[in-house]
Amino acid sequence: AQSVTQLGSHVSVSEGALVLLRCNYSSSVPPYLFWYVQYPNQGLQLLLKYTTGATLVKGINGFEAEFKKSETSFHLTKPSAHMSDAAEYFCAVSDPQANDMRFGAGTRLTVKP
Amino acid sequence: DAGITQSPRHKVTETGTPVTLRCHQTENHRYMYWYRQDPGHGLRLIHYSYGVKDTDKGEVSDGYSVSRSKTEDFLLTLESATSSQTSVYFCASQEQGYEAFFGQGTRLTVV
Repeated sequence: AQSVTQLGSHVSVSEGALVLLRCNYSSSVPPYLFWYVQYPNQGLQLLLKYTTGATLVKGINGFEAEFKKSETSFHLTKPSAHMSDAAEYFCAVSDPQANDMRFGAGTRLTVKP
Repeated sequence: DAGITQSPRHKVTETGTPVTLRCHQTENHRYMYWYRQDPGHGLRLIHYSYGVKDTDKGEVSDGYSVSRSKTEDFLLTLESATSSQTSVYFCASQEQGYEAFFGQGTRLTVV
């Protein structure tokens, strides 16, 4: 089965600073990879996904992630943090054939003024 | 937003009682999932379904059962609720290879 490790349960950045949220995955087959965001008392919303093709994936709200097979990583970045980015972020991996999506433990992003 | 609704949104129940959570989707998605969310654990997969009457266990399935008699409905049952099952439960639906859409969650408290 697939698994995901998110490095850092809490990340704090200043407004305007680079956001980097780390995700490493384990999968026995070429995976599908996802980043989701969760605002307080809400469900999860998709930020971006990688299935096949271009390894640099752009998502909503200025976020992007790069699939690096050699490093089994799918880190999420944003050049300049905004106060509205404060939320919890989840990385997920899915076997394209089995579709049993597995999530990491989440990273809570705090943005300081 | 995709049409996926969970009911109830909040529930308090006593230890040892059965509880059923409902998930309804209007997108005709093939795949549906139940997760529980707990601090420090993220979302953990309880059960999932890949079609009507086709279900499989996830990583934390003990104490839970599911049923899917129609494409649009996926039920999660706690046969005899325990305090360790106090959590926030999320349902999701998906077509293969595409994004999963999540419900708003059900906060379950077992006292």
